[in-house]
Amino acid sequence: ETGVTQTPRHLVMGMTNKKSLKCEQHLGHNAMYWYKQSAKKPLELMFVYNFKEQTENNSVPSRFSPECPNSSHLFLHLHTLQPEDSALYLCASSQARQSSGANVLTFGAGSRLTVL
Amino acid sequence: AQKVTQAQTEISVVEKEDVTLDCVYETRDTTYYLFWYKQPPSGELVFLIRRNSFDEQNEISGRYSWNFQKSTSSFNFTITASQVVDSAVYFCALSGYNQGGKLIFGQGTELSVKP
Repeated sequence: ETGVTQTPRHLVMGMTNKKSLKCEQHLGHNAMYWYKQSAKKPLELMFVYNFKEQTENNSVPSRFSPECPNSSHLFLHLHTLQPEDSALYLCASSQARQSSGANVLTFGAGSRLTVL
Repeated sequence: AQKVTQAQTEISVVEKEDVTLDCVYETRDTTYYLFWYKQPPSGELVFLIRRNSFDEQNEISGRYSWNFQKSTSSFNFTITASQVVDSAVYFCALSGYNQGGKLIFGQGTELSVKP
């Protein structure tokens, strides 16, 4: 496989469930990201990992717990979510570079989450 | 604070028409980067272009062209002779010099090209 792969593509869960989203990149990148895309709102950055280390947590509630075991894999563990957390969760990767603002992100197709 | 505004929520055109998607940004940084991404119905955002703040040259890539004007803080995107396959949501985004992947996105413009 090539690019950025996200599983599952669709997930429905109750508020008391625990589930995880998985992201895998086959591009040799060393930075990975979670973004949230809600209806009628701009994409929001959630977390950034550089070389497996978390470098950004954009004030995300603790019911979202990221994990990055290596530079190719990124997880988002979900626990006790609320209906307003229903959204498309997009994973992305890039090469980390000195002038990092120039990073071009490669996105996966997203995991569509519905919280009942 | 950084901000990106795409005032056009939805645009509908007929195939072969030209269409321009507007993007206006705000930043206090002197060095920054601007991006356009395309999101087809399949969901993944596809990178189209990156521009740095010191390069105001317009760019053309096939039917796509971009007009970057620092004087008006705009980075507009034009599709010439639109095609049905251009139907998608288009996002403009901004990143500061050392903001590593922390893109500030606009709301997106949904383009519908009808045959």
